[in-house]
Amino acid sequence: QKEVEQNSGPLSVPEGAIASLNCTYSDRGSQSFFWYRQYSGKSPELIMSIYSNGDKEDGRFTAQLNKASQYVSLLIRDSQPSDSATYLCAVTRGSNTGNQFYFGTGTSLTVIP
Amino acid sequence: GAVVSQHPSWVICKSGTSVKIECRSLDFQATTMFWYRQFPKQSLMLMATSNEGSKATYEQGVEKDKFLINHASLTLSTLTVTSAHPEDSSFYICSARRDSFTDTQYFGPGTRLTVL
Repeated sequence: QKEVEQNSGPLSVPEGAIASLNCTYSDRGSQSFFWYRQYSGKSPELIMSIYSNGDKEDGRFTAQLNKASQYVSLLIRDSQPSDSATYLCAVTRGSNTGNQFYFGTGTSLTVIP
Repeated sequence: GAVVSQHPSWVICKSGTSVKIECRSLDFQATTMFWYRQFPKQSLMLMATSNEGSKATYEQGVEKDKFLINHASLTLSTLTVTSAHPEDSSFYICSARRDSFTDTQYFGPGTRLTVL
């Protein structure tokens, strides 16, 4: 079982719609949760981090964490063509060598003008 | 901010030569830096984790004698690809973690390596 799982997509939404990206993780001991955006040919950039259950909003982005169900999601409101990218979910959990960072394989999002 | 730079941004080299890639945290001290590799249309693959002043921890399947990592200071880590071959052609990305209390990784812009 993979540490972090994401639907690879592609996910297509029309401009102005809400894009919903989901991620599940296997270890209940996971502590921190992140969403990164990666444009083709570029490195990942941090969008949001979330550490406790519930919603966290930042502009058009809302991260949702449900530790009981072991999933974290990212909602993008008023989607724009510039949001077209691959979105990577990442989680960390502790180990005897320090917190380990695990990435999902990413979900490709296309926003259609 | 948390800015991480990489140099060079792209490099082309002949097979058999060595290439050094630098990763710098510009506005913070990074206790830990990470090196990733990404092939086209594939996900990030962690190669190694390096802590300042100690030996890097390599992921399974990554040859430590081929990918030499040095983390000599809290703002600089280097990855040297020794005796590069065409199959080493990839996008190499470093990231840095500010301190042990925060997990957030900040990524550099990446280095595209092409080995002829």
